[in-house]
Amino acid sequence: DAKTTQPTSMDCAEGRAANLPCNHSTISGNEYVYWYRQIHSQGPQYIIHGLKNNETNEMASLIITEDRKSSTLILPHATLRDTAVYYCIAWREDMRFGAGTRLTVKP
Amino acid sequence: NAGVTQTPKFRILKIGQSMTLQCAQDMNHNYMYWYRQDPGMGLKLIYYSVGAGITDKGEVPNGYNVSRSTTEDFPLRLELAAPSQTSVYFCASTGQANQPQHFGDGTRLSIL
Repeated sequence: DAKTTQPTSMDCAEGRAANLPCNHSTISGNEYVYWYRQIHSQGPQYIIHGLKNNETNEMASLIITEDRKSSTLILPHATLRDTAVYYCIAWREDMRFGAGTRLTVKP
Repeated sequence: NAGVTQTPKFRILKIGQSMTLQCAQDMNHNYMYWYRQDPGMGLKLIYYSVGAGITDKGEVPNGYNVSRSTTEDFPLRLELAAPSQTSVYFCASTGQANQPQHFGDGTRLSIL
């Protein structure tokens, strides 16, 4: 089962792109990469997921390297409301969350 | 469309008391999960279920019990509440493998 590694914290200027990295070097071929975020003490919110192709939706883009050992979540124009903890997870039946990356968007 | 509903939203218990945290989903999801989150920390998986009648332990199951008699409901039981169980509890569900989880709003539990 894949373990993911993320930086503890990151800052980003408002209006700039936020690029959040995730390492998942032990991921297997059929494990999807999922991204969630948690704002304050709310329940985690699903953002995006992918297997091997890059994905984009209204919230973010997900870039997965060709070898699938790492991925990057991109918030194209970060706002103050994007300040949150972001979790990168490889899907498994017993979904487990790590510590995530605390993103702070600054004015 | 209610999604995942957790009750109660807040509760204060005395040490040694017991209670059941309720979780219900109306999306006919097979997978359901219970997590706890301590202040400033990430979510820890307590128990999960892949379908009615099937439950499995997660990372931190001690002090908790679950049952899954129906697809819709996944109650979490605390027996002999201890201060270490003061936390925010989240329930989640997903329909099938490789699908996103839907989370409830959480239950904030204090044990004094």
